Amino acid sequence: AQTVTQSQPEMSVQEAETVTLSCTYDTSENNYYLFWYKQPPSRQMILVIRQEAYKQQNATENRFSVNFQKAAKSFSLKISDSQLGDTAMYFCAFMKLDNFNKFYFGSGTKLNVKP
Amino acid sequence: GAVVSQHPSRVICKSGTSVKIECRSLDFQATTMFWYRQFPKKSLMLMATSNEGSKATYEQGVEKDKFLINHASLTLSTLTVTSAHPEDSSFYICSASTSGRVQFFGPGTRLTVL
Repeated sequence: AQTVTQSQPEMSVQEAETVTLSCTYDTSENNYYLFWYKQPPSRQMILVIRQEAYKQQNATENRFSVNFQKAAKSFSLKISDSQLGDTAMYFCAFMKLDNFNKFYFGSGTKLNVKP
Repeated sequence: GAVVSQHPSRVICKSGTSVKIECRSLDFQATTMFWYRQFPKKSLMLMATSNEGSKATYEQGVEKDKFLINHASLTLSTLTVTSAHPEDSSFYICSASTSGRVQFFGPGTRLTVL
């Protein structure tokens, strides 16, 4: 079974600063995808970033980047130049590549960006 | 692109009635749709996975006779909560997946059973 662990229930960061959210996972699979999703107060889940396990290069999307350490089974999210609109719950998700492509979500990290 | 809608966004019903929630992929064809349940301040719990034209695959502990899922087309899936009870009150979220293996989520439906 796949498990995803987010050990930081809540974090705070000052506007314009950088913050890193942690995620670790446990799997015996070699091929999989990892995701970070954001859920603002509206509760709409929004894709932040995706990483394919076979790619060694860390994914980046504007102010968002990941530090993917496959051997350590670690997948942290770095948010640079934090903005008030980044305030949200952030969920890390693991997807095994099979016929179903189910997501396994972590418990989430509540990020508060302070002005 | 990749917009998923859910209807209704909120529903209040009496105990013992059935409620249907629709999930539509508006601008793409979804090979697979997923239904999740989310309790306050908790993560998403996968309830079932459905492929168009096939029976849904339910997660362990989810009653298939209570949560009926129909995936009639590549753009529509429905979740029917039958004989709803107050403990079924929750936030239900659907997602749709393409061959690109990214899940696009609907805005969710808040169900309150009185």
